[in-house]
Amino acid sequence: GQNIDQPTEMTATEGAIVQINCTYQTSGFNGLFWYQQHAGEAPTFLSYNVLDGLEEKGRFSSFLSRSKGYSYLLLKELQMKDSASYLCAVTLGISGTYKYIFGTGTRLKVLA
Amino acid sequence: DVKVTQSSRYLVKRTGEKVFLECVQDMDHENMFWYRQDPGLGLRLIYFSYDVKMKEKGDIPEGYSVSREKKERFSLILESASTNQTSMYLCASSFLTSTHEQFFGPGTRLTVL
Repeated sequence: GQNIDQPTEMTATEGAIVQINCTYQTSGFNGLFWYQQHAGEAPTFLSYNVLDGLEEKGRFSSFLSRSKGYSYLLLKELQMKDSASYLCAVTLGISGTYKYIFGTGTRLKVLA
Repeated sequence: DVKVTQSSRYLVKRTGEKVFLECVQDMDHENMFWYRQDPGLGLRLIYFSYDVKMKEKGDIPEGYSVSREKKERFSLILESASTNQTSMYLCASSFLTSTHEQFFGPGTRLTVL
């Protein structure tokens, strides 16, 4: 079976750093994506990891360890607008293309 | 500006009705996907398509069918709507390879009474 685990909810203070973890057990692995979804809106792309290590993009960084089936999203200098759900997704090869398996998402609340 | 559009933001239907949800993308993407999103369950894949007239079942295809007659358009059909199909439906598209992210439409909130 396919399984992706993320914490359901996290709370942090404006200006702080927060780390959102994601662990996965899947049959096959092509890569791992992180998406941000504000309430009532569509998910938007944040980051992509295919090799082990850290990918940095401004205030956001994402880490992957393929051997451990583990990733995290690091958000620095938190802003109120970062209050959103963060979705971890693994891509699996299928039928000559691929599909995504999503975690249930982590709802992040940023407090003033 | 890349765009995925869905035919309706909100839809209310009655049990047993046939329901069509349409999705159009303007990015020349090969892949198109239909998901439903429910609280506590996250995004679940219903069907996807990697080419015109091609379709693949996702994780929860029961009660749904799809149609892809043109590259830019992917339709989700609920043959006989039921109350347990009340949900947020999201369409997405992407290029063929797994290194490319998906672009999502704004979603259709469907209520089946």
